[in-house]
Amino acid sequence: AQTVTQSQPEMSVQEAETVTLSCTYDTSESDYYLFWYKQPPSRQMILVIRQEAYKQQNATENRFSVNFQKAAKSFSLKISDSQLGDAAMYFCAHPNEKLTFGTGTRLTIIP
Amino acid sequence: KAGVTQTPRYLIKTRGQQVTLSCSPISGHRSVSWYQQTPGQGLQFLFEYFSETQRNKGNFPGRFSGRQFSNSRSEMNVSTLELGDSALYLCASSLGSRAEKLFFGSGTQLSVL
Repeated sequence: AQTVTQSQPEMSVQEAETVTLSCTYDTSESDYYLFWYKQPPSRQMILVIRQEAYKQQNATENRFSVNFQKAAKSFSLKISDSQLGDAAMYFCAHPNEKLTFGTGTRLTIIP
Repeated sequence: KAGVTQTPRYLIKTRGQQVTLSCSPISGHRSVSWYQQTPGQGLQFLFEYFSETQRNKGNFPGRFSGRQFSNSRSEMNVSTLELGDSALYLCASSLGSRAEKLFFGSGTQLSVL
């Protein structure tokens, strides 16, 4: 069974600081993808970043980057220079036959 | 390019009724998937349709069904509603590959009384 685990139900960070959200997953595949999605209060899920497992280089999208540790099956999201608009639920996800989501981390930005 | 459109946004039903939710994907997208989101269970996969065929199905009872039309629009139906079916139902579309990101709609909030 494919599982995705997010061990931090809630996180908070001061505006302009850096925060890291954790995610671990389980898979029997050797080539796969991992995603971080953001769900703001509007409820619409938005892709933040995508990582391809066969690529050694960690994905980066502006202030968002990942720390992908394939052997440890760890896929954390780092948000640099946090902004008020980053406040949301963040979900880690792994697609196999279906897209499996973690339970989410609620991120609060403190002004 | 228009995004994924879900209708209605909010719905209130009573136990035993049935409900149909609609999802219009982004133009050109052939895959539509549905998810149920609740505070207790999080996001759970319901099913995925690709070119009018169900490609995958989650672990939900047969009361939950869906279909996809030739224009890729999709509907999901829940019959004999139960209180536990109260949830946010999200639809997402993509080109169809597992590598592709999903584009989500804003969801339908279903309340069963």
